[in-house]
Amino acid sequence: AQTVTQSQPEMSVQEAETVTLSCTYDTSESNYYLFWYKQPPSRQMILVIRQEAYKQQNATENRFSVNFQKAAKSFSLKISDSQLGDTAMYFCAFMKPISGSARQLTFGSGTQLTVLP
Amino acid sequence: DADVTQTPRNRITKTGKRIMLECSQTKGHDRMYWYRQDPGLGLRLIYYSFDVKDINKGEISDGYSVSRQAQAKFSLSLESAIPNQTALYFCATSDSKGTGGMDEQFFGPGTRLTVL
Repeated sequence: AQTVTQSQPEMSVQEAETVTLSCTYDTSESNYYLFWYKQPPSRQMILVIRQEAYKQQNATENRFSVNFQKAAKSFSLKISDSQLGDTAMYFCAFMKPISGSARQLTFGSGTQLTVLP
Repeated sequence: DADVTQTPRNRITKTGKRIMLECSQTKGHDRMYWYRQDPGLGLRLIYYSFDVKDINKGEISDGYSVSRQAQAKFSLSLESAIPNQTALYFCATSDSKGTGGMDEQFFGPGTRLTVL
């Protein structure tokens, strides 16, 4: 079974600073995808960034970047120049094939990030 | 307008009642999912459907049933609600023809259900 572990239930960062959220996963698959989702107080699940396991290059989306270490099964999210609007629960998610082209998402338990003014 | 909508947004019901949560999408996606979110547990998959005639159980399907009335509509039912089904419920969609085979999922706004 695949598991996704986020070991930091809560974190805080000063506005404009950089913060890194940790995520580790366990799988025997070689072909999979990894995601970070953001859930603000509005409850909406918003995709922040995605990473294909076959790509060695770390994904980047504006102020968000990942450090993907496939051998270590680690997928951390770095937020640069933190903004008050980044305050949210962040979920790491693992996607694996289940049949044909079908995929299944497994989520970690989340990290509540608070950006302090 | 939102691409994935869920009704109701909030619902309080009593133990033993039947309740239906509805999901509609205008994205034209063929795949739809129902997840449940509990504090400290992330999201867990209840049911998923790859087209109108294809419905599959997820990780935690006991106590739930689903109906795919059309490609755009996927409803979740609790036949006899119990308090431990109190949770936040999310519908999601994906496109089997999406780029790169990633099958990215797009989420609705969630339904907060409380069973007393």
